[in-house]
Amino acid sequence: RKEVEQDPGPFNVPEGATVAFNCTYSNSASQSFFWYRQDCRKEPKLLMSVYSSGNEDGRFTAQLNRASQYISLLIRDSKLSDSATYLCVVYTSGYSTLTFGKGTMLLVSP
Amino acid sequence: DADVTQTPRNRITKTGKRIMLECSQTKGHDRMYWYRQDPGLGLRLIYYSFDVKDINKGEISDGYSVSRQAQAKFSLSLESAIPNQTALYFCATSDLPLAGINEQFFGPGTRLTVL
Repeated sequence: RKEVEQDPGPFNVPEGATVAFNCTYSNSASQSFFWYRQDCRKEPKLLMSVYSSGNEDGRFTAQLNRASQYISLLIRDSKLSDSATYLCVVYTSGYSTLTFGKGTMLLVSP
Repeated sequence: DADVTQTPRNRITKTGKRIMLECSQTKGHDRMYWYRQDPGLGLRLIYYSFDVKDINKGEISDGYSVSRQAQAKFSLSLESAIPNQTALYFCATSDLPLAGINEQFFGPGTRLTVL
C-alpha cells in the first residue's frame, strides 16, 4: 500500500522556469501536510507546511486538495540552488509519525 | 554546533558484525526517530521513541534494535549486519505536534556499508 506517492522525476528545467510537483496520499484521515527538501546526500529539511487554504513563501506556493487527496508545490523563477529532491510528507495522528513520499528530483540548469 | 549529531558519519563493516549507530540532540525534544534511506525507496521508519521509557517499532524494524539511554540519546544497533542493511541512516527529533505542525529535525546521516 503506497501511502504517499510522488513522480520521482527528474524534472529538468531552465533557470527562471516555473515548475510544479504533485503528490497524492491514500489516508483520508491524514491531518497535516508538508514539503521537505533534501539536497544530495544531505538530511531532509522542512521547506514549508501545507495549509488547506494554500500558502505561499516567496517563490514557493503549496496547495492542498483534501477532496482529491493531493498536495502540490509550485516553484516560480527557478534558481540553480533549487536543484534538490522534494519530499511530500503527511502526518496522520493515528500513526503518530510522519509518512514520507519517495521524493521528486528537480534539476535546474543555466 | 549541530542540534542533532550522528556518529559515525561513515562506516564500512562485514557481514555478521555487530554495529551501533549513535544519535545525540540538544534540542530538548522528547521524540526521536531512526530512518533508513535507500535509492528508489525513500525514507523508511525503523524505530521511534516518544520518551525515555517508550520504544516503538516502525515499518522495518526486523534486524534492528534501539536503546533510548537518555532524553538526548537514541542508539540504533544492528546485531548481525547483512549486506541489504547497506543504506543511509538518519536520526531525527521532534517536539510534540502543535497546531498540526510536526516538524522533524534530522541529523546529517550515517552512511553504512555492509560487505
